[in-house]
Amino acid sequence: GESVGLHLPTLSVQEGDNSIINCAYSNSASDYFIWYKQESGKGPQFIIDIRSNMDKRQGQRVTVLLNKTVKHLSLQIAATQPGDSAVYFCAEKEETSGSRLTFGEGTQLTVNP
Amino acid sequence: KAGVTQTPRYLIKTRGQQVTLSCSPISGHRSVSWYQQTPGQGLQFLFEYFSETQRNKGNFPGRFSGRQFSNSRSEMNVSTLELGDSALYLCASSLEQGRSDEQFFGPGTRLTVL
Repeated sequence: GESVGLHLPTLSVQEGDNSIINCAYSNSASDYFIWYKQESGKGPQFIIDIRSNMDKRQGQRVTVLLNKTVKHLSLQIAATQPGDSAVYFCAEKEETSGSRLTFGEGTQLTVNP
Repeated sequence: KAGVTQTPRYLIKTRGQQVTLSCSPISGHRSVSWYQQTPGQGLQFLFEYFSETQRNKGNFPGRFSGRQFSNSRSEMNVSTLELGDSALYLCASSLEQGRSDEQFFGPGTRLTVL
């Protein structure tokens, strides 16, 4: 069967390494997915989004992968930097549900210099 | 362009009191959503307002209420505070409800109930 990355509450990487953060979502009707970054003392900050008609989307140093078959989302950060240290959340939404987001459990990413 | 602002940033209340939190969305944004963030439950949706109307509501008791004004500013109120209401309350705004456009979050109001 296909391997699916597990969600980890914490992830520690070395500066310059690539990071992969995983998320499982629950609602098969969700058609829009977002990754947020939350730094200490701040609100979540948008990183990248993807619609359900896509399976991959790339941004600057970040890539989001969507596997609808197993309801799995991942965020890949290339060349991780100390400034990437934060809690990362995935969120899902149905386009018919207005702006209501359902958040997954966060992953605390720590980048060691 | 100014971001989403929330006031106050910090609040300390005692059980049984009530509290009102305020959110000013980004200029031009018509949708405002509220979320509660706690270590145990994570980020949970409270409600969403669009054009002064509540369009969505999460699974919170009736002690939690909100409203939106004609200038899109929003307030949420929690009555008869309980210890478990201690949390970071986040407000998010977006341009138009029902579309997959970006939501911008404010810094939150940290509420502590003693």
